[in-house]
Amino acid sequence: AQSVTQPDIHITVSEGASLELRCNYSYGATPYLFWYVQSPGQGLQLLLKYFSGDTLVQGIKGFEAEFKRSQSSFNLRKPSVHWSDAAEYFCAVGARAYSGAGSYQLTFGKGTKLSVIP
Amino acid sequence: GAVVSQHPSRVICKSGTSVKIECRSLDFQATTMFWYRQFPKKSLMLMATSNEGSKATYEQGVEKDKFLINHASLTLSTLTVTSAHPEDSSFYICSARDTGSEAFFGQGTRLTVV
Repeated sequence: AQSVTQPDIHITVSEGASLELRCNYSYGATPYLFWYVQSPGQGLQLLLKYFSGDTLVQGIKGFEAEFKRSQSSFNLRKPSVHWSDAAEYFCAVGARAYSGAGSYQLTFGKGTKLSVIP
Repeated sequence: GAVVSQHPSRVICKSGTSVKIECRSLDFQATTMFWYRQFPKKSLMLMATSNEGSKATYEQGVEKDKFLINHASLTLSTLTVTSAHPEDSSFYICSARDTGSEAFFGQGTRLTVV
């Protein structure tokens, strides 16, 4: 079965500083990989996803992530954090649940809470 | 992106009563819908997967008689928490996707059972 590990429960950075959120996965085949952001009391918004191709993926709000197969990692980065980036971030791996292109079932990590100091 | 609307956003109910949560895809056909439960400081735990017109597939440990899922149309799925108890209090999130597309998430429902 697939699993996702986000080693950092809580990270605090200063506004304007760079950010890297770690994500490691376990899956027997090439995974689909996702990063979501959740504001308090809200649902999840997709930041970016990796299905295949270029291992450096650009997302919304200035985020990017790099898929490294050798390290089973999909770390999320942002060069300059804004106060509005404070939220909970979830990494997820999509494992194929049904036949058909693009069909998958998501398994989430436990999340990393990001706090931003003005 | 596509919009998934979840209603209500918050609900408080008495112990022993049932609560229905709706999940609607507003601008696409949701062939598959997922229901998640999120505990404080915990990840999202998949409860069940439903395909339109079929019975839901429940994850291990999820009581199907307690958490009734109906996916009667391509734009609507409902989760009914039957005979709710305080331990059912949680944040419930649905997601929906069409075949071959990514999943979009609802805003979540905060259920409090008193």
